[in-house]
Amino acid sequence: LAKTTQPISMDSYEGQEVNITCSHNNIATNDYITWYQQFPSQGPRFIIQGYKTKVTNEVASLFIPADRKSSTLSLPRVSLSDTAVYYCLVGALMNTGFQKLVFGTGTRLLVSP
Amino acid sequence: KAGVTQTPRYLIKTRGQQVTLSCSPISGHRSVSWYQQTPGQGLQFLFEYFSETQRNKGNFPGRFSGRQFSNSRSEMNVSTLELGDSALYLCASSFGSGRADTQYFGPGTRLTVL
Repeated sequence: LAKTTQPISMDSYEGQEVNITCSHNNIATNDYITWYQQFPSQGPRFIIQGYKTKVTNEVASLFIPADRKSSTLSLPRVSLSDTAVYYCLVGALMNTGFQKLVFGTGTRLLVSP
Repeated sequence: KAGVTQTPRYLIKTRGQQVTLSCSPISGHRSVSWYQQTPGQGLQFLFEYFSETQRNKGNFPGRFSGRQFSNSRSEMNVSTLELGDSALYLCASSFGSGRADTQYFGPGTRLTVL
């Protein structure tokens, strides 16, 4: 079963680039990696999704090495409103044949002025 | 397009009772997944339904069950509530059930068990 771990917290300042890494040592061959942002008392909000190499959208980039055992979410030039908890989500194929969706432990990002 | 809605938003129950939570997915989405979020365990996957069939399930006891209706709306039921069931229950919908299908989350139902 996949064990998905992230740093507990990170601190940054406005305008800096922030990189958050997720380790997923048992990711299934056909699984995608998805990152979410969550504010207090709200459901997670989709940020970006990828399968391999690099994906970029208007808010973030996602880097996935060839072995896919980890992924890195990159937030360019963060602002105060990026203060939130960030989760990675991967699928893990269980021996029952079902996939279990495993969220990372979450990284609390604090952006200061 | 309206987002995922969950009702009720807040719920207080006592031990031993049962509870039913409801989720209405985004229009056109056929997959609904349920998650439990607690400070200690984080976000944990409960189960996923697609076209009224349970496709995936997490590692929760049989007290946790769900179903999906023909209009894709889903309900989750927890019987014989325990104190440890206090959590934020999140529902997410996606167009399909493949791993590349992005899940969109609702605001959650905050369940408190006394």
